Amino acid sequence: DTAVSQTPKYLVTQMGNDKSIKCEQNLGHDTMYWYKQDSKKFLKIMFSYNNKELIINETVPNRFSPKSPDKAHLNLHINSLELGDSAVYFCASSQSEVDTQYFGPGTRLTVL
Amino acid sequence: AQTVTQSQPEMSVQEAETVTLSCTYDTSENNYYLFWYKQPPSRQMILVIRQEAYKQQNATENRFSVNFQKAAKSFSLKISDSQLGDTAMYFCAFMGTSGTYKYIFGTGTRLKVLA
Repeated sequence: DTAVSQTPKYLVTQMGNDKSIKCEQNLGHDTMYWYKQDSKKFLKIMFSYNNKELIINETVPNRFSPKSPDKAHLNLHINSLELGDSAVYFCASSQSEVDTQYFGPGTRLTVL
Repeated sequence: AQTVTQSQPEMSVQEAETVTLSCTYDTSENNYYLFWYKQPPSRQMILVIRQEAYKQQNATENRFSVNFQKAAKSFSLKISDSQLGDTAMYFCAFMGTSGTYKYIFGTGTRLKVLA
């Protein structure tokens, strides 16, 4: 059974479109995260939710909006996609904010 | 602000040999956590090892062990008996415990195990 899953794994889209990436964890964790890994493999946190409440919101354009319908899900919606949004996006979860994070398989987003 | 530095962008090692990946960090906190994650070509981020700063004993997980030097702010990863499956990017990460708990990642070391 996959612990942290993301859909889709690959996403190719045109500039200006709106897209969503879904994340689900079946570990019973309270905290979930979104990370962006750029073309140089640098990983940076974007958002974190704890029990459906936003606790970390890094300097991310307003076009990115996370939504947590329940503790097991954290989706990422991106409006008006730009070329620079091309990256791998990782979802992760942890039992609490201080615990080890477990990552999903990543979603490779390509904006043409 | 905390920073994490991995000074070796690429390394290679012969199968069955030992290799050490370096990581240094900068923080003013006394309590924190350090991690090594592995990212093979499959892209999946896999936890290798975790170290709590308040523990003096170095963490070990099978062939993987760390050399944690708190005063020097150094956290190196030693891989013994290297296997072809160890070929991957390795990321060092720091998580402080004051303010928000978030990972700060290093830039990664690409390790290639040679047959």
